[in-house]
Amino acid sequence: DQQVKQNSPSLSVQEGRISILNCDYTNSMFDYFLWYKKYPAEGPTFLISISSIKDKNEDGRFTVFLNKSAKHLSLHIVPSQPGDSAVYFCAAGLNDMRFGAGTRLTVKP
Amino acid sequence: DAGVTQSPTHLIKTRGQQVTLRCSPKSGHDTVSWYQQALGQGPQFIFQYYEEEERQRGNFPDRFSGHQFPNYSSELNVNALLLGDSALYLCASSLWQGAHTGELFFGEGSRLTVL
Repeated sequence: DQQVKQNSPSLSVQEGRISILNCDYTNSMFDYFLWYKKYPAEGPTFLISISSIKDKNEDGRFTVFLNKSAKHLSLHIVPSQPGDSAVYFCAAGLNDMRFGAGTRLTVKP
Repeated sequence: DAGVTQSPTHLIKTRGQQVTLRCSPKSGHDTVSWYQQALGQGPQFIFQYYEEEERQRGNFPDRFSGHQFPNYSSELNVNALLLGDSALYLCASSLWQGAHTGELFFGEGSRLTVL
C-alpha cells in the first residue's frame, strides 16, 4: 500500500538554480508532511515539515508547498548547492510516518 | 547528547535463521519506530513502540516482532529469515505526541544480508 509516491527517482540541477522535488499521496487523512534528506551510510535527517492546515512553509533556502486538493506536495531548494546532493524522501504522518521511495538530487557545480 | 544508536551495523544470516536488532533512542525520547529499507526503496514502516507496547503496525508478517524496555530501548526480532528480508533496518525515535507531527531521529541502520 504505497500511500506516498515520489515518481522521479532522480533529478539533476545546475548549482545556483532551483531544485523542485515532487511527492503525491493518496490518504486524505494525513495531517503532517515532512521532507527528509539522506546521505550515503547515514540515516535520514529531518529537513522541513508542513501541517495540513497550511499551504506553504519556508526555512531558509527550503520551501515546502502543499496542495491538498491535488494531494501533492513539493520541495523547492533555491539556490541549489553541491552539498544539497543527496536522496530526498517525502513522508506523511497520521498515527505513524509513511515514506516515499526517494528522489536522488545531484547538484552540479 | 547521544543520538539514536543501533547494533549491529552489519550482519549476515542464512535462510531460516533468526535475528535480533537493537536500538537505543535519542536521550529524552520515549517512542521507537522501526523501518525496513530495501535497496532503491524508501523506508517501510514495520511497527512503533511506546510504553513498552506495540502501538502501530505496518504491513509486515508476524515473523517480525519487537519489544521495548523500561529504559525506552527496543529490539526488532525477525524469525524464519527469507532472502527478501535482506535490507537496511532503521530505528527512529521521537516523543509520543510528536510521533506523526514532528521529526523522527534516525539511527544509521543495521544492514542485514540473508544468504
